[in-house]
Amino acid sequence: NAGVTQTPKFQVLKTGQSMTLQCAQDMNHNSMYWYRQDPGMGLRLIYYSASEGTTDKGEVPNGYNVSRLNKREFSLRLESAAPSQTSVYFCASSVTGGSGEQYFGPGTRLTVT
Amino acid sequence: LAKTTQPISMDSYEGQEVNITCSHNNIATNDYITWYQQFPSQGPRFIIQGYKTKVTNEVASLFIPADRKSSTLSLPRVSLSDTAVYYCLVAPDQTGANNLFFGTGTRLTVIP
Repeated sequence: NAGVTQTPKFQVLKTGQSMTLQCAQDMNHNSMYWYRQDPGMGLRLIYYSASEGTTDKGEVPNGYNVSRLNKREFSLRLESAAPSQTSVYFCASSVTGGSGEQYFGPGTRLTVT
Repeated sequence: LAKTTQPISMDSYEGQEVNITCSHNNIATNDYITWYQQFPSQGPRFIIQGYKTKVTNEVASLFIPADRKSSTLSLPRVSLSDTAVYYCLVAPDQTGANNLFFGTGTRLTVIP
């Protein structure tokens, strides 16, 4: 039982490049989330998915797209990376949304130069 | 939108009890209060959740007054391994994405 896994762990991009961050959970959770965490800052929600096929914007969705491929997987895509998107990205999942206990992945550290 | 306010940082000596308070003045009737712990280079981890009064588990206690406008996470006899950032999250049972605000958290440093 791996919990929440994220790939890659580290990534360096040049401005304008694109990439997809992958997230998978094996806990049969309905809800999945993408957060970003900037140095010295808290977590900010980018996108949320309550179930397969549904997604909602969070606090900071600009510059990102998401895809809930199936119940297990939730990917985050940067179409044209910008230095302002340098951050650590965390994926999380929970049985239910809102106050439901969230399980977090180990994070992806992204640097955009 | 139930945003939260916490102290930015706290220091404590090993073996002491630590209380971290979170203010959430506009908490709604159906909101729950959840605390998470985050170590460097790791994702946050659930500690405890409550709705009112007091909740206790094997690692912490959560105190919520009757008006629910604040909550206090209590860590008994902290050790160096409790050095982490602690986040208070207020959210209803079912919500859309616009109700999830973790805030900046409280950085707890435990001193030997």
